[in-house]
Amino acid sequence: NAGVMQNPRHLVRRRGQEARLRCSPMKGHSHVYWYRQLPEEGLKFMVYLQKENIIDESGMPKERFSAEFPKEGPSILRIQQVVRGDSAAYFCASSPPGVNTEAFFGQGTRLTVV
Amino acid sequence: DAKTTQPTSMDCAEGRAANLPCNHSTISGNEYVYWYRQIHSQGPQYIIHGLKNNETNEMASLIITEDRKSSTLILPHATLRDTAVYYCIVRVGGGGATNKLIFGTGTLLAVQP
Repeated sequence: NAGVMQNPRHLVRRRGQEARLRCSPMKGHSHVYWYRQLPEEGLKFMVYLQKENIIDESGMPKERFSAEFPKEGPSILRIQQVVRGDSAAYFCASSPPGVNTEAFFGQGTRLTVV
Repeated sequence: DAKTTQPTSMDCAEGRAANLPCNHSTISGNEYVYWYRQIHSQGPQYIIHGLKNNETNEMASLIITEDRKSSTLILPHATLRDTAVYYCIVRVGGGGATNKLIFGTGTLLAVQP
């Protein structure tokens, strides 16, 4: 059973471009979470999605950031018009449905805005 | 979710047991204690979790005090590869909406040769 797969592992974008980060959850996992880790800081929750639904987006910046988890395919975190402050590691986690489950993390996408 | 307090850093000699403390004095009755670690900016790795009984798996043991206000993660024989930031997180049990994790600053465990 493959783990949580994120791609690309490294992404470089110029200011003003769009960044798309993809996350394929573990098999059987229908819940996806995105976290951001700024340089030298801890992980911050961004958004929680189930298939075709955003459940909790309390950690998402109000502008330029969006996330989706379609019925088919990976979850996508999209950042429009990137700025230097968006440079960070973005981690995706997935968990199965049910009670008392743990989340498993991918290896992250490191976004660098130049 | 309840707030946790952990020491900023700890050292441990290779081959010795590493005991990482965590205070969660405001924990509620339905909140679990979870431990994750992050090795050198890799994705966080799940270690163990528990509610009120002590737990053990192939990676570690978790000792939760009877009043549940604190816990200790024990790595029985630390190796250099256990050098990482260890996060203690409390969250309400149950899947789905409650799998959102609130990370603190964690404890940087440095295993010394």
